[in-house]
Amino acid sequence: QVQLQQWGAGLLKPSETLSLTCAVYGGSFSDFYWSWIRQPPGKGLEWIGESNHSGSTNYNPSLNSRVTISVDTSKNQLSLKVTSVTAADTAVYYCARGARRFGYADYWGQGTPVTVSS
Amino acid sequence: QSVLTQPPSVSGAPGQRVTISCTGTSFNIGAGYDVHWYQQVPGTAPKLLISDYTNRPSGVPDRFSGSKSGTSASLAISGLQAEDEADYYCQSFDSSLSGVVFGGGTKLTVL
Repeated sequence: QVQLQQWGAGLLKPSETLSLTCAVYGGSFSDFYWSWIRQPPGKGLEWIGESNHSGSTNYNPSLNSRVTISVDTSKNQLSLKVTSVTAADTAVYYCARGARRFGYADYWGQGTPVTVSS
Repeated sequence: QSVLTQPPSVSGAPGQRVTISCTGTSFNIGAGYDVHWYQQVPGTAPKLLISDYTNRPSGVPDRFSGSKSGTSASLAISGLQAEDEADYYCQSFDSSLSGVVFGGGTKLTVL
């Protein structure tokens, strides 16, 4: 059974760096893409980006310059960093397993709410 | 503004059939990229409902079905049940943006 468990700081000040980690339990880590997706309060889903096990990444062009997704294959974990956050980055952040590059997400983490406020 | 366009809301009575549309462009659905559907109960993570236009993951009832026509895709839910009340999102790939895109979401109300 595949489970994704995520954690990270939930309250940030503007200009700080958002940092989240997602641990994958069960299944293969190397056969899939690993994504981050976010959802602002009351709004829809926004794809942030993805990485495969070897660190090959794809990012949403609108966030590209501020986002870094990395993987640690020794721990079956993926991480997300978003620099220079603003109130617009306030959202629930999800990690998810992608079946293939730019593919569908078949397993999701529980979500981490992140608020950016001064 | 989402790249994929969905109606904000749909509704139906128990037992009825409803459809949710997802309209794209020649850079995504019209280009032949796959469409996937998710169900999200408020306060929980999205759940994969349909992959690659028509495939249902194990455990998804066959009341849920997907289809494609031109630059649009549709999710149909038959035999509507109270537990189907949720938000539904479509997803595809957009070549002009070189990334994954979602529809704005559709809230399904079971009357």
